[in-house]
Amino acid sequence: GAVVSQHPSRVICKSGTSVKIECRSLDFQATTMFWYRQFPKQSLMLMATSNEGSKATYEQGVEKDKFLINHASLTLSTLTVTSAHPEDSSFYICSATGGSIGNTIYFGEGSWLTVV
Amino acid sequence: DQQVKQNSPSLSVQEGRISILNCDYTNSMFDYFLWYKKYPAEGPTFLISISSIKDKNEDGRFTVFLNKSAKHLSLHIVPSQPGDSAVYFCAASARGFQGGSEKLVFGKGTKLTVNP
Repeated sequence: GAVVSQHPSRVICKSGTSVKIECRSLDFQATTMFWYRQFPKQSLMLMATSNEGSKATYEQGVEKDKFLINHASLTLSTLTVTSAHPEDSSFYICSATGGSIGNTIYFGEGSWLTVV
Repeated sequence: DQQVKQNSPSLSVQEGRISILNCDYTNSMFDYFLWYKKYPAEGPTFLISISSIKDKNEDGRFTVFLNKSAKHLSLHIVPSQPGDSAVYFCAASARGFQGGSEKLVFGKGTKLTVNP
């Protein structure tokens, strides 16, 4: 089946630095990718939707200048957390889907970010 | 306002019995529903989906039922196995409507424990 891979799976960074998380679709062209974050014992909260070659659409309350999303190719989207703070520590998950409206959405393995 | 609700945070069943996970939604624009299984610190894994033109979809031990008039869907797992123990998320999207998208709205999840 389709595989979506995230890297790194775990990252620790210092407060004030930036960290990049990659999301790759390994065996299909992902025209649309989504980025979520999940706090402990909470649901998945959509942060933004990105379509290949265009700017990401952010959900209300998500700072676009803090969470930079790039979807430069049909197989790669990146999320960069800029000037990270401890409250940004969370589990970040990407998902991807192909060009047809009926395509299933597949999720990456997730990335644990800890800001110290 | 929570558009997708999973009112039972947890469910415990005996191995071999049926597990029934429930989900309610409020947005009548939703026309595509999915169930995901999630282990701690991992991304969700797609289980089964159903379009609003159907009222039942079956895949092996997993069956999803949709009651549009009640805005309710349920996931049946039979027979339940210890390996099914995980958090199950219900998700919905409004794919078929003008301006609709692949964007998924998740419930908060139900933690299923299958006891040997």
